Amino acid sequence: DQQVKQNSPSLSVQEGRISILNCDYTNSMFDYFLWYKKYPAEGPTFLISISSIKDKNEDGRFTVFLNKSAKHLSLHIVPSQPGDSAVYFCAASFSNAGGTSYGKLTFGQGTILTVHP
Amino acid sequence: NAGVMQNPRHLVRRRGQEARLRCSPMKGHSHVYWYRQLPEEGLKFMVYLQKENIIDESGMPKERFSAEFPKEGPSILRIQQVVRGDSAAYFCASSPSFSNPLTDTQYFGPGTRLTVL
Repeated sequence: DQQVKQNSPSLSVQEGRISILNCDYTNSMFDYFLWYKKYPAEGPTFLISISSIKDKNEDGRFTVFLNKSAKHLSLHIVPSQPGDSAVYFCAASFSNAGGTSYGKLTFGQGTILTVHP
Repeated sequence: NAGVMQNPRHLVRRRGQEARLRCSPMKGHSHVYWYRQLPEEGLKFMVYLQKENIIDESGMPKERFSAEFPKEGPSILRIQQVVRGDSAAYFCASSPSFSNPLTDTQYFGPGTRLTVL
């Protein structure tokens, strides 16, 4: 039961161009979404997040878009740099009835991004 | 300010032995999450603990796995009588609180790679 899916195992992009990583989810209870970046032999590093009350969040070169009706989010990296080459995971969580974050993250399978110089 | 620390980084066990994985959260963090990443898959939630309390263990296998986070010392993930299918990367994450999901990011450690021979 894969509630968060990243259907593209890999993506290859030229340096300076835009990278678009996609993620779909099935559980409509999710209301908080995150992107993590992971290098080999390291733990995931938080990149950017978005609450379900928003449809866009931007931080420097990274922008996350959320389409709730389609249950789809995407991460845009522009311009892409060779140092961005890593595995990117999207993750989702939901608040409990009391409005406080439960914290448990459900991850997608990851997309390997390769940025060529 | 040290990040989340995990040890050992690599652990080799023979079938039937016990594996103990340790996680020291970031200073000031009192919430610990354990995730497992099987080869070619995303991270899967295992257990969420606060000091001296297991809050959610819905992702833990029913047998052989246990976790604790004592008042003093690191969090421990214990796997008894390991089998080859337990071979994976085990990641620990910590967060300061979860009253606000927009700010309480989970910070991950580098992981422990368990190999069962």
